[in-house]
Amino acid sequence: AQSVTQPDIHITVSEGASLELRCNYSYGATPYLFWYVQSPGQGLQLLLKYFSGDTLVQGIKGFEAEFKRSQSSFNLRKPSVHWSDAAEYFCAVGAWNAGNMLTFGGGTRLMVKP
Amino acid sequence: DAMVIQNPRYQVTQFGKPVTLSCSQTLNHNVMYWYQQKSSQAPKLLFHYYDKDFNNEADTPDNFQSRRPNTSFCFLDIRSPGLGDAAMYLCATSREGGARGYTFGSGTRLTVV
Repeated sequence: AQSVTQPDIHITVSEGASLELRCNYSYGATPYLFWYVQSPGQGLQLLLKYFSGDTLVQGIKGFEAEFKRSQSSFNLRKPSVHWSDAAEYFCAVGAWNAGNMLTFGGGTRLMVKP
Repeated sequence: DAMVIQNPRYQVTQFGKPVTLSCSQTLNHNVMYWYQQKSSQAPKLLFHYYDKDFNNEADTPDNFQSRRPNTSFCFLDIRSPGLGDAAMYLCATSREGGARGYTFGSGTRLTVV
């Protein structure tokens, strides 16, 4: 079965600083990979996804993520964080052999200092 | 815009009083999911419908039921809510299974008093 680990439960960065949120997955084949963002009291919004092809994917709100097969990672990055980016971020992996379910990581809460 | 809509956004119910949460979608996706999310935790899958086929997670309490009368609507019924059922409930949809991602609704925040 696939699994997803987000090693950082909380991250605090200053506004304007760069951001990297870590995501590691375990799966026997190339998975489908996702990053979702959740603002307080809201549902999950898709930031970006990777299915195949170029390993650097661009998403909404200036986010990007890079799939590194050798490291089983799919880290989310943003060059300059805005206060409105403060939210919970979830990495997820999809696999056809798991009843087509998405498996979520535990989430990383991002706080932005002024 | 095609979307997933959950009603109500906030629901307050009394301990032990049945409550129903609703979800509708205009995406024509054949799979619909219900997740429970407690504070500062990842969403936890309760069950899903693949077309009309109901799939219950093994650890979903019997207190939780679901109905899908047609492709567009899905309901979550909590027969006797307890204080521990207070949570955000998220509905999601996907086409032909979730491996390619889900579309989520905005959620319903359930409070049990």
